[in-house]
Amino acid sequence: ETGVTQTPRHLVMGMTNKKSLKCEQHLGHNAMYWYKQSAKKPLELMFVYNFKEQTENNSVPSRFSPECPNSSHLFLHLHTLQPEDSALYLCASSQDRFADTQYFGPGTRLTVL
Amino acid sequence: QKEVEQNSGPLSVPEGAIASLNCTYSDRGSQSFFWYRQYSGKSPELIMSIYSNGDKEDGRFTAQLNKASQYVSLLIRDSQPSDSATYLCAVNQAAGNKLTFGGGTRVLVKP
Repeated sequence: ETGVTQTPRHLVMGMTNKKSLKCEQHLGHNAMYWYKQSAKKPLELMFVYNFKEQTENNSVPSRFSPECPNSSHLFLHLHTLQPEDSALYLCASSQDRFADTQYFGPGTRLTVL
Repeated sequence: QKEVEQNSGPLSVPEGAIASLNCTYSDRGSQSFFWYRQYSGKSPELIMSIYSNGDKEDGRFTAQLNKASQYVSLLIRDSQPSDSATYLCAVNQAAGNKLTFGGGTRVLVKP
């Protein structure tokens, strides 16, 4: 596979469930990002990892927990979410956090019931 | 004040015409500017980047940057129905070196 992949592509979960989103990039990049895209709102940056180290947490609630075991993989662990967390969650990568050009994965469409 | 502003549209253009999209930004220290295209239900796809004042052309797309006026625009020449999408403007803010996105402009190209 090439580029940035995300699984699952669609996820429906209850407020008491625990689930994880996975992102993998095959571009040899060192920075990875999680974004949230809600209806009628701009893309919101959630987390940034550079060389496996978290460099930014954009005031994200603790019910979202990121994990970056290596430069190619990024996870977003979800627990006790709220219906307003329903959105498209996008992963992106770039050469490093100082590189401008980011490449996006296809996203995970999350619905919280 | 929003950091990156775009008219949400929809911008309706006839096939073959020029679509003109505008974006303004608040951080005067921004150095890098991007246009992404996002089809409905899909992820953003980078189509243009621009770093210097003036015009940059790539195929049917032209990006224009004016740092003094803090705006960046995108022209789509000979618009095709396949250009119908939401176009996102993104600005790399000087502080924190992070991309900030506008809300996007929805473009509809009618045959």
